[in-house]
Formats: sequence, C-alpha cells, structure tokens
Amino acid sequence: AQSVSQHNHHVILSEAASLELGCNYSYGGTVNLFWYVQYPGQHLQLLLKYFSGDPLVKGIKGFEAEFIKSKFSFNLRKPSVQWSDTAEYFCAVNAGFSGGYNKLIFGAGTRLAVHP
Amino acid sequence: GAVVSQHPSWVICKSGTSVKIECRSLDFQATTMFWYRQFPKQSLMLMATSNEGSKATYEQGVEKDKFLINHASLTLSTLTVTSAHPEDSSFYICSAVDAANYEQYFGPGTRLTVT
Repeated sequence: AQSVSQHNHHVILSEAASLELGCNYSYGGTVNLFWYVQYPGQHLQLLLKYFSGDPLVKGIKGFEAEFIKSKFSFNLRKPSVQWSDTAEYFCAVNAGFSGGYNKLIFGAGTRLAVHP
Repeated sequence: GAVVSQHPSWVICKSGTSVKIECRSLDFQATTMFWYRQFPKQSLMLMATSNEGSKATYEQGVEKDKFLINHASLTLSTLTVTSAHPEDSSFYICSAVDAANYEQYFGPGTRLTVT
C-alpha cells in the first residue's frame, strides 16, 4: 500500500534560516507529488506539485522541492524563511485516480514555527 | 481564486443523532469532490470520492452506510454522519476538483464533536 512519511513533526527556525522538510513515499508506480500548506485557521493550499519533467519544482512563495526517484523522496526547501511561513506543511502522493482525478495520500504533516 | 466552503465549521451533537456537512465550490464547477478525515496530529485520511450524479466511491474500511455522501449538483456535496458516536469525533475536510483545470481545492474543514 502507498504511504507517505514526513520525518519532522515540529520544526522551529529563526527568520532567514534555511528550511528543508523531508518527505518519503512508498509507491511502485508513476507518482505525482504535492506539497500543501495550511496557515493557522485557513484551508490547505497547494504550494507546488511534480507530475513529470524537471525534478526540481518551483512553487509559490519561494518554495521549491526536488524529486529524487532513487530515494523515493520529495523534500521541500526554502533558502530563507519568514515569520509568515509559520504553518503546517503536508506532503502528498497520488494514490490512483477516481473520477479521472488524483486521489491523494497525505503525510502526517510538519508544523513549522518561525521566530522573528 | 477558487474557493471551497464547508458548513458548518463546527458542530456538537449527541450520540445517536445524525449530522450533515456541506461542501460547496463557490466559483467553479466540481464534478468530483473528495472527503477526508483528520485525527489530531495525524494526516488526512481519504474517506470517499464523491461524483456528481453517481454513487460515491468509498475507501477500504470506510462504512458507506454510516457516512452517506450525496453529490446533488456540480457545486455541492454533502456528507452525513449517521447515528454518530464519540469515536466519529474528528475534523472532516472536503476538496473539490475544478473541471476546467483539474486543480484540487480544499475546504476549511468541519470539526465534529459527538458527546
């Protein structure tokens, strides 16, 4: 069965520090990979996604992620975080299709707190 | 941008009663919506796929008679938790797929507490 693991449950950083959140998945087939962010009191928003092509994907707000197929990883990075990046981050992988659209399996999430 | 709303945002009910949660796509049509459940400090678990005009597809282990899903229109899906019990207390989140661009947008979630 497919699964997604996020290694860091809580991360605390100071502003301007670099960020890397780990995500590993187990899925034997072709994968579509996603990172979502949930700001306090708000709904999940898509940060970036990988379907095919360049394994280095750039998303919104300066985030990027690299798909490394040999490591089954899709780590999220940002060179310099801001206080406004305080949120919970979820990695997700497609679990197949239903109705023609992606069913997603989510990781447990990583709660990031950025101190000014 | 695309907005998905859920109503109510928070509900408390007594054990044995039924609760209906609505998921609406406000500015786009969604032939497919997904329902997720999230336990505290855990990931979102996909419960079922809701397709407009047809029966929902449930994930393994999800009781279809307990979690009734109806996708009556291109902008509305409802999840009814029937005969709720305390173990059904959870955060329920829906997502809607925009048929125009295949993007999936999430609602803000509904917190259900069964006493």
